[in-house]
Amino acid sequence: KNQVEQSPQSLIILEGKNCTLQCNYTVSPFSNLRWYKQDTGRGPVSLTIMTFSENTKSNGRYTATLDADTKQSSLHITASQLSDSASYICVVSGGGGFKTIFGAGTRLFVKA
Amino acid sequence: GAVVSQHPSWVICKSGTSVKIECRSLDFQATTMFWYRQFPKQSLMLMATSNEGSKATYEQGVEKDKFLINHASLTLSTLTVTSAHPEDSSFYICSAREKVRQGRRYEQYFGPGTRLTVT
Repeated sequence: KNQVEQSPQSLIILEGKNCTLQCNYTVSPFSNLRWYKQDTGRGPVSLTIMTFSENTKSNGRYTATLDADTKQSSLHITASQLSDSASYICVVSGGGGFKTIFGAGTRLFVKA
Repeated sequence: GAVVSQHPSWVICKSGTSVKIECRSLDFQATTMFWYRQFPKQSLMLMATSNEGSKATYEQGVEKDKFLINHASLTLSTLTVTSAHPEDSSFYICSAREKVRQGRRYEQYFGPGTRLTVT
């Protein structure tokens, strides 16, 4: 069964600290993996997209990694800011019929 | 990056009425558009996928006669919630996938969402 699991479900960190969000998937065959940031009441905004051959991708303070062998990805946020408070969603495309599978998201709270 | 817009951004309607939500890709052609529903503190749930010029494909459990989807052009898709009820109150998000071009990455762009409240 094609699934995407994210951890932790929620996370609270202090402003300026780093954090890492995890994404494990069982989608096969694999096409690509994307990380999105979704502010409350807004649509998701793309942070990174990675295909099978890419191990890491950065977008400012966001760095995503992908291990296609273990089917794991992480999103590392450096020097967190209050505006980083949002839900971060891992999305994997692939599987029979080229499905797009959404993770449940990690809700990040950055406190001053 | 590519921009997807939705209109309206929020709407309040009475039970039994119909509501139309528009989704537009502003600077690219979208051969495929997706409609999602999101309840508070939950992830996006795919409702249907529509390809320009053809009928939408609905996910299991989504009533096609209640959620009418029209994808008449490469830049516009509409979702009409017919005979809305309070349980239809939700956050509706559309997404557009760009027409595949050589050398371009596969990407899916999301609209800002429409908050529907049925009273």
